[in-house]
Order: sequence, then structure tokens, then C-alpha cells
Amino acid sequence: DGGITQSPKYLFRKEGQNVTLSCEQNLNHDAMYWYRQDPGQGLRLIYYSQIVNDFQKGDIAEGYSVSREKKESFPLTVTSAQKNPTAFYLCASTPDFGPQHFGDGTRLSIL
Amino acid sequence: AQSVAQPEDQVNVAEGNPLTVKCTYSVSGNPYLFWYVQYPNRGLQFLLKYITGDNLVKGSYGFEAEFNKSQTSFHLKKPSALVSDSALYFCAVRASGGSTLGRLYFGRGTQLTVWP
Repeated sequence: DGGITQSPKYLFRKEGQNVTLSCEQNLNHDAMYWYRQDPGQGLRLIYYSQIVNDFQKGDIAEGYSVSREKKESFPLTVTSAQKNPTAFYLCASTPDFGPQHFGDGTRLSIL
Repeated sequence: AQSVAQPEDQVNVAEGNPLTVKCTYSVSGNPYLFWYVQYPNRGLQFLLKYITGDNLVKGSYGFEAEFNKSQTSFHLKKPSALVSDSALYFCAVRASGGSTLGRLYFGRGTQLTVWP
């Protein structure tokens, strides 16, 4: 079945450490997105990519970085510059005019 | 600028009663509107969408939504609520034009609790 796979499901970060969240899709979608979800704040867009080798900052890009070397993959790195990284991270993809499809998320916590 | 408001953080309803989860939006041009549901520690699941056409849209699990252009609203409804409908619901909007392919603007979410 086609879908979006996020890994790992749970991730722990030490102070000063960068961590990378994986997002892979086999839906053949061009556009992919990373969101951060905090309780009571809905979903906030971190980065998005409309095509391979191109991506744009969303509303809260500071302290995060992404790459889009393959259509299927859109990894998110949470850098040590992100001072409050504890959150639920969601990856999504979309065809041209259809709804976004979401992965099951990665929950990041600080040790 | 695009935005979505869900005025109620929580909605409580008894099983078997009708439910409504409210959503209003602001967008440049014609809106594409979506409802999603989220269960604990899961991603968002698509429920229904309005792109054009009939103002009453039917979706998954017996849900429907009514698009009202004059009131810029897209309320989610179900005639008879189930305990299993208890979840977090998100409304989202996307402008029909522009270069940001598929970018959605989400509301803050409404927690629906259905009491047995």
C-alpha cells in the first residue's frame, strides 16, 4: 500500500546534539511538508518542498534544516540551535490538487 | 493572508446526538477547504474536502460539511455521534491560486468528546 513512513516513532535528543527525522513516501507526490505540532497550537509549517532539490522555509524554520535529494525522501534535521525542540513532528505529501497525506509522526523529547 | 479559525477548543456531545465542529476561514481567491481527524499519537487522516460544486460535502465515517461562502464557514457535522468519533479535528484551507503548491493553513484544532 502507498503511504508515508516516518521514523523513528520516538526520538530523544541530548543538549547540543543534532538529530534527523526520516520521512519517506511511495505515493509519487511532488510536494512534501514538515509540520510541528504542540498542544493547543495546531500544526505549524517548518519547511516544504515542491520539487526535488528545492525547498522553502515555512513559518518556523529557525533551528531546522532539510534536504530533498530524492522525490521519495524529505529528511528533517533538528539542530542544536532549536532551543525548544520537544514536539510531535508530522511529515506530509500532496498531489497537485488533492488532500495532504500524513505520516504517523515522530515524537521528539529532550534528555 | 490565509487563516483558519476554530472557535471551540472542545466540543462535548452525547452519543446519538448530532454534532457540529465549527470552522471559519480567510483566504485570497476561491478556497479549497479540508477537514482532518487525528487520534492520539497518530498522523492526520483526511475526512472530506470542498473544491467546487455542491455546498454540502459528504466524507468518510458519516461526516459531512457545509460550505457557506457568505459567512466564510465550513462547519463539520454528523447526524448521530459515536463514542469512536472522539478525537482531535482540524480544519484547513488552501488558496486556489499562487505558487505554494498544496500548502495548507490549519486551525488550532477542536477536541471532540462523545459521551456514552
